[in-house]
Amino acid sequence: GAVVSQHPSRVICKSGTSVKIECRSLDFQATTMFWYRQFPKQSLMLMATSNEGSKATYEQGVEKDKFLINHASLTLSTLTVTSAHPEDSSFYICSASGGRRNQPQHFGDGTRLSIL
Amino acid sequence: QKEVEQNSGPLSVPEGAIASLNCTYSDRGSQSFFWYRQYSGKSPELIMFIYSNGDKEDGRFTAQLNKASQYVSLLIRDSQPSDSATYLCAVYNTGNQFYFGTGTSLTVIP
Repeated sequence: GAVVSQHPSRVICKSGTSVKIECRSLDFQATTMFWYRQFPKQSLMLMATSNEGSKATYEQGVEKDKFLINHASLTLSTLTVTSAHPEDSSFYICSASGGRRNQPQHFGDGTRLSIL
Repeated sequence: QKEVEQNSGPLSVPEGAIASLNCTYSDRGSQSFFWYRQYSGKSPELIMFIYSNGDKEDGRFTAQLNKASQYVSLLIRDSQPSDSATYLCAVYNTGNQFYFGTGTSLTVIP
């Protein structure tokens, strides 16, 4: 149980392109979803937290107009990197948690984004 | 003070030995504690969770929680080269917020 599917797994695109990443909870309802970014050999960096039906809460320093997050249903959240540039190249990982307090986060497989 | 602190390592142990990974947390009222394993280039995967003081065993893994001292540890018995990874400690605090440590890198030497 507790499977989180993330697509695509890898994206290579030109500078200026907008990229959408999907995160789905397959066998549970994800009241809360999290988006992380991780650079090579560095720690996970939380970008934003989203609750179903609400606006996402962004961490300090993360541009909400650059990283658009939508959590329209209990099983789907999307992250759109708008007008991506080479410095946005990174490993983006989503995770999802059920509604009950103290439930763990379950991670998707991540999306490796490369902007040329 | 960080919410969750881990020694970044690297920690090296010989194959077959016990690997001991430690984590401390700052919110004394925290109730839930998790250990994740992250292989290089992959996303984290949940390996253990513990809610009560004491030990919890699952195969070669044992999680230990001491709320009075505000630390949680993970023991890996009979360490294998395939256990080489970064281990992340995570805590769910009284503010309903989930915090990750920066991780401890473990290398098991054949």
